[in-house]
Formats: sequence, C-alpha cells, structure tokens
Amino acid sequence: DGGITQSPKYLFRKEGQNVTLSCEQNLNHDAMYWYRQDPGQGLRLIYYSQIVNDFQKGDIAEGYSVSREKKESFPLTVTSAQKNPTAFYLCASSSGTGGTEAFFGQGTRLTVV
Amino acid sequence: GQSLEQPSEVTAVEGAIVQINCTYQTSGFYGLSWYQQHDGGAPTFLSYNALDGLEETGRFSSFLSRSDSYGYLLLQELQMKDSASYFCAVTNQAGTALIFGKGTTLSVSS
Repeated sequence: DGGITQSPKYLFRKEGQNVTLSCEQNLNHDAMYWYRQDPGQGLRLIYYSQIVNDFQKGDIAEGYSVSREKKESFPLTVTSAQKNPTAFYLCASSSGTGGTEAFFGQGTRLTVV
Repeated sequence: GQSLEQPSEVTAVEGAIVQINCTYQTSGFYGLSWYQQHDGGAPTFLSYNALDGLEETGRFSSFLSRSDSYGYLLLQELQMKDSASYFCAVTNQAGTALIFGKGTTLSVSS
C-alpha cells in the first residue's frame, strides 16, 4: 500500500538530547514537509523540501535540522537548541508544486522530560 | 509573511449547514486548501481552490475570492462524524510551501 510513514508514534527523550524523527513515503512524491502541532496553534511549518538535496526553512526552523538524501525520506532532527520540543510532529508529502493534495503521516508525539 | 484567520470554534446540530470562513494575508498566493483532522489523527485533504468560485465535492463545498483574500468551507447535512478540526491552508506563490491556519473546531450534536 502506498503511503507516508512516521516512526515512532510516541517518543520520549531527556532534555539536552538530540532526537531524529523518521518520515518515509512510497508515493513517489517530490515535495515533503514537516509541521509541528501544539494545542490551539494549528500546524506550523518547520522545513520543506521540493527536491532531493534541497530544503527550505519554514516559519519555526530554529532548533531543528533536516536532510533530504533520498526522495523517499525526510528525517527531522530536534536538537537540544529547541527550547520547547515537546509537541506533535507531522510529516506530509505532495506530488509537487501548486495545490496538489498533501498526504500526512500519523504523526510522532515527542515528549522531552 | 503569511497569516490566516479562521474562527476557533463552531457548533451545530445534525442535519444543519455550517460555513467556516478563512481570510488570509500572504506575500504571494497560489491557492487555498481545506483539511480535516479528527482528534489524534492525521489531517486529510478536503478541497482546493486556485480560481475564484465554488468547488463542490459531495456534502462539502469550498469557495474562494482572490480579490477579497477570503474563502470558506461549507458543510451540508452535518453528521456526528463531521465533528473535527478544519484547517484552511495557503500555497505560496511559488507553489512550494503549504501554510496552515490555526484551525476551527466543529462540534456537531444530535
């Protein structure tokens, strides 16, 4: 089945540790996105990528890093520089530019203690 | 920069019609999308408007006025399962980034 997969669903980390969230898609989509969702804040764009080996910062990129070495994969690293990392993280992909439908993974709920 | 405004909450009863408005301010604009998200779940795509006018998909319709920087999602014949959060989202002028509003929580009661 084609789709977009995020893992793990729940993740716990100690403060000060970097953590990498996985996002894989087999939809052959060019574009991939990372969002952070906090209660009452909607979805805020962290990073996005339209093509392999290229990505752009979204509205809240500070404290995060990404890579796009393969078309299928767009991992997000939450670094120790992120002041408030506990949140629900959503990855999405779409076939390209324009208003094409974005498909979302089931999300990773990160808790930093 | 970009900003989108939509009501935070809407309530309605089964069978009713509800309209969720969205106004946007963007440095560039390609189109307006709508997504539905149930509690704890992933957002799912509902509709997209790039041109002015109404797009209809079953019980859901979406409208766009580019000159007014305004759009709405119309939900008809409401059902309990329509209780969810609804997000409008704009695609920037380059068509590369998808920016979401804060969402509208719709509660449907019997």
